[in-house]
Amino acid sequence: GQNIDQPTEMTATEGAIVQINCTYQTSGFNGLFWYQQHAGEAPTFLSYNVLDGLEEKGRFSSFLSRSKGYSYLLLKELQMKDSASYLCAVMDSNYQLIWGAGTKLIIKP
Amino acid sequence: GAVVSQHPSWVICKSGTSVKIECRSLDFQATTMFWYRQFPKQSLMLMATSNEGSKATYEQGVEKDKFLINHASLTLSTLTVTSAHPEDSSFYICSARGVGGESQPQHFGDGTRLSIL
Repeated sequence: GQNIDQPTEMTATEGAIVQINCTYQTSGFNGLFWYQQHAGEAPTFLSYNVLDGLEEKGRFSSFLSRSKGYSYLLLKELQMKDSASYLCAVMDSNYQLIWGAGTKLIIKP
Repeated sequence: GAVVSQHPSWVICKSGTSVKIECRSLDFQATTMFWYRQFPKQSLMLMATSNEGSKATYEQGVEKDKFLINHASLTLSTLTVTSAHPEDSSFYICSARGVGGESQPQHFGDGTRLSIL
């Protein structure tokens, strides 16, 4: 079956750095997405990786290793507004998005 | 860019009522739109995928006669929950994907919180 694993919850301190991991097992691979979802709101697109390596976008970076079925989202200089759930989603060989359950990130002052 | 508008944002109605939710892509053409539902503290669950001008593809376990989807234009898709019951109460979210292929990201509407009394 298809499976996306990410931690349920993480806690970090304002101003620090946090890495949210995502491992996947899917039938084929056509890219991996990271989305941010604040409580009670719809997800917003953060990043897309289809090739191995690191993609940097401001305070957020996303890394992919296809051979390991692994990605992480790196958030730097954490701000209170970064408190949200972070969803990892993989596009399989049929271009279907397989969603992880999300990682709830709690930022403490 | 890539703004998706979803209305209404909140619906409270009596059991047996039909509820229509609209999803519009405001600044791009959406060849494909997706409808999800999400229960508290759970991940997104895809209900159906709709392509403009064709019938929607429903996920296993989703009743197509219960959840009617119409994708009449490249900027509008609607989901109608027919004869809604309390167990249909949930957060419904639409997303739209523009031209450029399946690797384009989905852009989400703000969601509709449906409460059936």
